[in-house]
Amino acid sequence: DGGITQSPKYLFRKEGQNVTLSCEQNLNHDAMYWYRQDPGQGLRLIYYSQIVNDFQKGDIAEGYSVSREKKESFPLTVTSAQKNPTAFYLCASLPRQGALYNEQFFGPGTRLTVL
Amino acid sequence: AQSVTQLDSQVPVFEEAPVELRCNYSSSVSVYLFWYVQYPNQGLQLLLKYLSGSTLVKGINGFEAEFNKSQTSFHLRKPSVHISDTAEYFCAVSASLTGGGNKLTFGTGTQLKVEL
Repeated sequence: DGGITQSPKYLFRKEGQNVTLSCEQNLNHDAMYWYRQDPGQGLRLIYYSQIVNDFQKGDIAEGYSVSREKKESFPLTVTSAQKNPTAFYLCASLPRQGALYNEQFFGPGTRLTVL
Repeated sequence: AQSVTQLDSQVPVFEEAPVELRCNYSSSVSVYLFWYVQYPNQGLQLLLKYLSGSTLVKGINGFEAEFNKSQTSFHLRKPSVHISDTAEYFCAVSASLTGGGNKLTFGTGTQLKVEL
């Protein structure tokens, strides 16, 4: 089955540590996205990538970093510079870049908790 | 810039009753609108989308939405809800990104709670 996988499902981090969230898709989609979800705030865009080796900052990129070395993979690193990282993180992909009318497909999410 | 407002953060409803979840948007360009559903601790799943044409859009699980350009609304409805419809529902509008690609701007979500 084609889809998006995110791992781990739950992640605990101590203050001051960097952690990396995995996102893999086998849908052959060009574009990939990372969102952060907080209660009552909806989803906010962290980073996005439309092609391998290229990515752009979203609305709340501070304290995060990404890479896109392969079409299938778009890992997100939450750095110690992110002051309030506890949240639910969602990865998404899009079938065709530049296509406003295509829906984004979402992974199951990773819940990050800072201890 | 695009924005989405979901007027109700929580909507309680009894099973088999009808429900409407409200969504208003603002956009200066052509509008593409989406409704997603999220079950607890899961990702988002597309319910339906409006691209053009008929203003009444039918989606999965018996949901439908009506696009109203004059009122800038895209309200989601279901004539008879089931306990399994308990979830959070997000309205979103699509916009172009600089350099290509698209961006979804989401509302803050509406928690639908279906009670027996």
